[in-house]
Amino acid sequence: ETGVTQSPTHLIKTRGQQVTLRCSSQSGHNTVSWYQQALGQGPQFIFQYYREEENGRGNFPPRFSGLQFPNYSSELNVNALELDDSALYLCASSLELAGADTGELFFGEGSRLTVL
Amino acid sequence: AQSVTQLDSQVPVFEEAPVELRCNYSSSVSVYLFWYVQYPNQGLQLLLKYLSGSTLVESINGFEAEFNKSQTSFHLRKPSVHISDTAEYFCAVGGSGNTGKLIFGQGTTLQVKP
Repeated sequence: ETGVTQSPTHLIKTRGQQVTLRCSSQSGHNTVSWYQQALGQGPQFIFQYYREEENGRGNFPPRFSGLQFPNYSSELNVNALELDDSALYLCASSLELAGADTGELFFGEGSRLTVL
Repeated sequence: AQSVTQLDSQVPVFEEAPVELRCNYSSSVSVYLFWYVQYPNQGLQLLLKYLSGSTLVESINGFEAEFNKSQTSFHLRKPSVHISDTAEYFCAVGGSGNTGKLIFGQGTTLQVKP
């Protein structure tokens, strides 16, 4: 059984650019959540995708967008990057919606984004 | 609205000593409570959770946490820590209704010294 994998692991962008981060869910999981973890902070919920539809969203502007594909893999896109977007972006998958709510989230190791 | 406060940013402790990592939450609805652990350069792993039933929950590696509704706390304890327990620990609250949204605290760094 493969775990949650994310790519790239590290990347550097400049302010104003756009970035796409990718996530492959754990086998059999149909729900993906994305979190932003700034340095020294706890993760903050960005949004969740369930069966290719956005199911919930945190307090992030529209320039943060996502996709979920039929194979349940997912992308996080961030447009017009700002310096404060520098963070570790974590993807987590779960088996059905209830799994996410009851904490049965399986996290990837994250993509560390640096915006200069 | 839900929120989580972890009262200590860093907790240094000697090996084999007991430890308590403190967590307080606020919520206007019934909650689910979690502790996650993050080892260096790794993703978060679920350590233990309270959903309902017994207020004392345990993990397989000796940690335990007690849900205290009157004090709105969910402190994490271990009677004897090991060097390998050195990590970042996050308390989180969920249960907001199938949105997948967990609210995390800012984390506590547990530093176990030999």
